[in-house]
Amino acid sequence: DTGVSQDPRHKITKRGQNVTFRCDPISEHNRLYWYRQTLGQGPEFLTYFQNEAQLEKSRLLSDRFSAERPKGSFSTLEIQRTEQGDSAMYLCASSLGTPGFLFFGPGTRLTVL
Amino acid sequence: RKEVEQDPGPFNVPEGATVAFNCTYSNSASQSFFWYRQDCRKEPKLLMSVYSSGNEDGRFTAQLNRASQYISLLIRDSKLSDSATYLCVVRIQTGANNLFFGTGTRLTVIP
Repeated sequence: DTGVSQDPRHKITKRGQNVTFRCDPISEHNRLYWYRQTLGQGPEFLTYFQNEAQLEKSRLLSDRFSAERPKGSFSTLEIQRTEQGDSAMYLCASSLGTPGFLFFGPGTRLTVL
Repeated sequence: RKEVEQDPGPFNVPEGATVAFNCTYSNSASQSFFWYRQDCRKEPKLLMSVYSSGNEDGRFTAQLNRASQYISLLIRDSKLSDSATYLCVVRIQTGANNLFFGTGTRLTVIP
């Protein structure tokens, strides 16, 4: 399967714990995006990488959130001191650069108890 | 004010029907427009871009009205497999490469 992959697919954690998600984009894609989606809403932009550089961060991304893409390949999204409001689907997407043409991964569903 | 607004539906239509969704956007500087499809508990997938002159892909027709700031998606001869949530997406040329997604319109095609 050469699509975008995400790991884990599901994560249940207790409030206050740290969690880390991984995204492996399509191999030739240099752009990588993180989105968050809650029930009944569309995906909300969190952050964007071009190669290893993080070029844009949403105001939604509080200082508890950090994302990296160390070698311009896979990316991680870490949430520290999770809160119940962090419960959502975290979607990763990659693209070659054609605006709007994103390929999404299956997402990581986070539940914070 | 949201960048993109859609009627969440649900739209319940019989097989073979024609159904249309509209979506409005607030920023007149919006550059590019798309429709994505999202099946239940799945990731969004690009359905089609929306071009200024309108465009068609099989049973799907997308149109853009810049003066009124809305885009539309028309589905002809609905199939059961068309049941999904349709997300309207707008790209604003602000220097950031991000997209604004609507909340989606849910379509159920009934046998």
